[in-house]
This record gives sequence, C-alpha cells and structure tokens, in this order.
Amino acid sequence: GESVGLHLPTLSVQEGDNSIINCAYSNSASDYFIWYKQESGKGPQFIIDIRSNMDKRQGQRVTVLLNKTVKHLSLQIAATQPGDSAVYFCADFPPSGGYQKVTFGTGTKLQVIP
Amino acid sequence: GAGVSQSPSNKVTEKGKDVELRCDPISGHTALYWYRQSLGQGLEFLIYFQGNSAPDKSGLPSDRFSAERTGGSVSTLTIQRTQQEDSAVYLCASSLLGTRQETQYFGPGTRLLVL
Repeated sequence: GESVGLHLPTLSVQEGDNSIINCAYSNSASDYFIWYKQESGKGPQFIIDIRSNMDKRQGQRVTVLLNKTVKHLSLQIAATQPGDSAVYFCADFPPSGGYQKVTFGTGTKLQVIP
Repeated sequence: GAGVSQSPSNKVTEKGKDVELRCDPISGHTALYWYRQSLGQGLEFLIYFQGNSAPDKSGLPSDRFSAERTGGSVSTLTIQRTQQEDSAVYLCASSLLGTRQETQYFGPGTRLLVL
C-alpha cells in the first residue's frame, strides 16, 4: 500500500449511493490482496480478498477490482449504509509470503451521510 | 473467548518507563501477530509466533521491544524505556495455522501514549 502522510483521505457519500475506494500498491510481484475495514476504536476486519490471477471478485455488497498493470486495487461498496462508515485499507502479499510479510496501506476514511 | 482481546485498552506512560501489553488470542489459534499502527501509517509488523517455533522477530524496531508467548496462548509485548515515538496503537491478531489462506482476527488494540 502507499503512504499518504498524516491525514487520511476522506470519502463522503450519501447513504444509498455506491462508494469506490482506491489503493495503489508498489510490489509488482504481490500475488494476493485483502481489503480491511477498521471502525473507530476497533481492530481491522477482513472484508474481501482477491488473488492475482483474477481481476474481479464479488462479495455481499462489495466488489474488489484488481489492475495488475498499474498496480491498483479498488473496493466498491453498493448501496452504502451508515454502518459502512470506517477506515478501509488494502494489504498486499508478496509471493508465498505470510501475514508477517504483508504491506498494509494507510487507508481511506469513508463517511456516510444519512 | 469469542474473539481476540487485548489489555489495557489505553495506556499513558512517561518517557523512560517500561510498559507491558497483553494479548489473548482466540482459543486454539496457533499463530499470533503483533502490529503497530501509528497515526497516518499502515500497520507495521512487529513479531510473529507460530506454535512452538522460534518467533519471527524481524519487525521489532529496536532492542527495547520484546515479546513472549506463554503456553502457546497469551502473549505479552514489552517496551522498555519508552520513547515518545512509541506512541501508537498496538494491535494483536491470531489465526488458526498462520497460513495466508485463512482469516486473521484482530483484537481492538492498545492505545499507547508516551508523554
């Protein structure tokens, strides 16, 4: 993931709209990716993952897109709800690497406007 | 327990003092990780325990940091002679076997402030 300094980028969306959160990673050899959600005062929570042999994966209300050419991940949240308000960050794994080798992004803060 | 627990939830200490942070992983999970989350930064790996194997300490930032895991369960992260730059949220996570194919479960973290 990329470092964006001390201030997290913030995305404000209206309840019911779709949200798109982006992440750039730097290791072109990374072959596995995870999106996490971190609510205020809580630890990160797994949302969805994708392997490098895929370019899209869908979950419940969430879709992850992977563009290996430009080393970019996006997380799409459909029909955003107030409970989706949190910091979202990506993580990329080097080949055959475990969780101790992961690079975590700094995150984007999603604010849902009721 | 139902999830990973950490204590204390908040800790304020003076520069130069030692602190101990505790993590109770999910019962039966053999893999345990410590991370540090500084303001505006991504999670930084500190140390990894897997079963009875020697821990992976490659992420510890200095020799002031140490961790142990007793009986393959509870873990304690110790920071000696704390510095202001140690202020951060310290997160613990556990997983069943320590493989990337399985979900890693995080605790709520300990917020450390060094004055």
